[in-house]
Amino acid sequence: DGGITQSPKYLFRKEGQNVTLSCEQNLNHDAMYWYRQDPGQGLRLIYYSQIVNDFQKGDIAEGYSVSREKKESFPLTVTSAQKNPTAFYLCASSTLGQGVHEQYFGPGTRLTVT
Amino acid sequence: DAKTTQPPSMDCAEGRAANLPCNHSTISGNEYVYWYRQIHSQGPQYIIHGLKNNETNEMASLIITEDRKSSTLILPHATLRDTAVYYCIVRPPYSGAGSYQLTFGKGTKLSVIP
Repeated sequence: DGGITQSPKYLFRKEGQNVTLSCEQNLNHDAMYWYRQDPGQGLRLIYYSQIVNDFQKGDIAEGYSVSREKKESFPLTVTSAQKNPTAFYLCASSTLGQGVHEQYFGPGTRLTVT
Repeated sequence: DAKTTQPPSMDCAEGRAANLPCNHSTISGNEYVYWYRQIHSQGPQYIIHGLKNNETNEMASLIITEDRKSSTLILPHATLRDTAVYYCIVRPPYSGAGSYQLTFGKGTKLSVIP
């Protein structure tokens, strides 16, 4: 079955701790994205990557870091510098190249920091 | 990207057609209209996209007005499982440079009622 997996589904952390969210895809997509969603709000882009070993900041990158060592994997680290880390985190992937590209989303990780 | 306007919520009786409107009066000539939906606590799911012509797939139909300033997503026979937030997004085709993230607003919360 092709798709995107995110783990874990729920994550609880104490304030001041870094936490890494996993995202893996087996769709052979070049591009991967991390979005954040707060209750009742739309999605906001954190980071994106179009190729291995390269990634770019999105609209709300402060307090987050990513890596792209393999095409299939794009983990997101929420650092202690992120002021309001409690949110629903969504990973997505897509093909690239000129034209129209739909994005495929994972099931999300709900992070709660207390 | 052109801005979109959607009603915050709608109800639809089970078995009836659900017609979800989207206004995008500032759409440019090369911008596509995408629809995604997000069932509670899950990742968004791609539904359909179109440029000028009406489009239909196994999930829904997309009707775009002749002036392209608005569109309607039609779910022909709504079921309880169609209860979700529906997002209308306008985006040009990928040019081969920069990011291709999608900008999700607050969407329309569709409630299908038994």
